[in-house]
Amino acid sequence: ETGVTQSPTHLIKTRGQQVTLRCSSQSGHNTVSWYQQALGQGPQFIFQYYREEENGRGNFPPRFSGLQFPNYSSELNVNALELDDSALYLCASSWGKDTQYFGPGTRLTVL
Amino acid sequence: GIQVEQSPPDLILQEGANSTLRCNFSDSVNNLQWFHQNPWGQLINLFYIPSGTKQNGRLSATTVATERYSLLYISSSQTTDSGVYFCAVGRGNKLVFGAGTILRVKS
Repeated sequence: ETGVTQSPTHLIKTRGQQVTLRCSSQSGHNTVSWYQQALGQGPQFIFQYYREEENGRGNFPPRFSGLQFPNYSSELNVNALELDDSALYLCASSWGKDTQYFGPGTRLTVL
Repeated sequence: GIQVEQSPPDLILQEGANSTLRCNFSDSVNNLQWFHQNPWGQLINLFYIPSGTKQNGRLSATTVATERYSLLYISSSQTTDSGVYFCAVGRGNKLVFGAGTILRVKS
């Protein structure tokens, strides 16, 4: 059984650019959630995908968008990057409402 | 939305000591998880415990859902226990995280 994987591990972008982060869910899991963790804080819920449909969204602007694919992997897209988007982005997968398992994260730096 | 408060914010222990971390939450939940975040950022599942008591080795947790709190006990602490401990709660699996407890275990 493979765990949750994320790519890339690190990324540096400049303000105004767009970025795509990727997540492969743990085998057998049909739900993927994305979180943003700023330095020194707890993770904050961005959105969740269940069977390729968005299933809840946190307090993030529309320039944060996502996709879930038929194999339950997922992408997080962020447009018009701002300095405050610099953070660790975490993906978590689960089977429905069961325990969430987190990937190692992607560390995004916006200059 | 649900508010989550963790205490203490920082904790320094001598190796071998015991500790209790607390998580208070503001509303009824059906999902509560404890995590340990290692220095590389990986969140490691410790317990899924929306109610009741569980034990895993030197760690145990208790959630009293009716009183809206959960406790994480660490016994005989080791330097490898150092890191940030998060409590996360929710209805379903949209988790709201606390600010964490930073634990430092000194040898």
